[in-house]
Amino acid sequence: SQQGEEDPQALSIQEGENATMNCSYKTSINNLQWYRQNSGRGLVHLILIRSNEREKHSGRLRVTLDTSKKSSSLLITASRAADTASYFCATASSGGGADGLTFGKGTHLIIQP
Amino acid sequence: DTAVSQTPKYLVTQMGNDKSIKCEQNLGHDTMYWYKQDSKKFLKIMFSYNNKELIINETVPNRFSPKSPDKAHLNLHINSLELGDSAVYFCASSRGSANYGYTFGSGTRLTVV
Repeated sequence: SQQGEEDPQALSIQEGENATMNCSYKTSINNLQWYRQNSGRGLVHLILIRSNEREKHSGRLRVTLDTSKKSSSLLITASRAADTASYFCATASSGGGADGLTFGKGTHLIIQP
Repeated sequence: DTAVSQTPKYLVTQMGNDKSIKCEQNLGHDTMYWYKQDSKKFLKIMFSYNNKELIINETVPNRFSPKSPDKAHLNLHINSLELGDSAVYFCASSRGSANYGYTFGSGTRLTVV
């Protein structure tokens, strides 16, 4: 069954603005990961945040995790046209991840030049 | 060097045919996966192998059979193809379980006509 739900489904912003995407999930997790998928390409791993972490940064990316609300957010600062892609959150269950990652439906981000 | 490579990239075939998709990773990862992405971009895990041993076998038709000759390869054979099998199939690998990020291949777009 689907675990993560991204919100919004689609987001269009101007270059230079910040983009925020949210993800909600249903069960206990070991970690939550964010991936980017450019059109016609495979998914690229962006960042992993463990269940005992609340915030993580990587370059222009900032991820937060609130396990009490079962939600996460991905913030991309100073967006660029090259950030146009679909972004997926994925969860690894607290059972040691043996179930593999469960992906959400994704947010399609469009950066207008 | 491509980390996770899938072949072919595109596959167009008639209903009833049998086809295979090959996947190889040169990252030294222990675990490999097959995911199916439908037309709405929803990703669903199909199979997972750890060191040539089947770990996850989700509810997929038994027309789909994975084969892992060694831990660097995970091939997907599909018998008696149906129209509903049309999708993009992604191979991925990870260092261990889902406690680590996945590296995805670029996908195989399967079209059954």
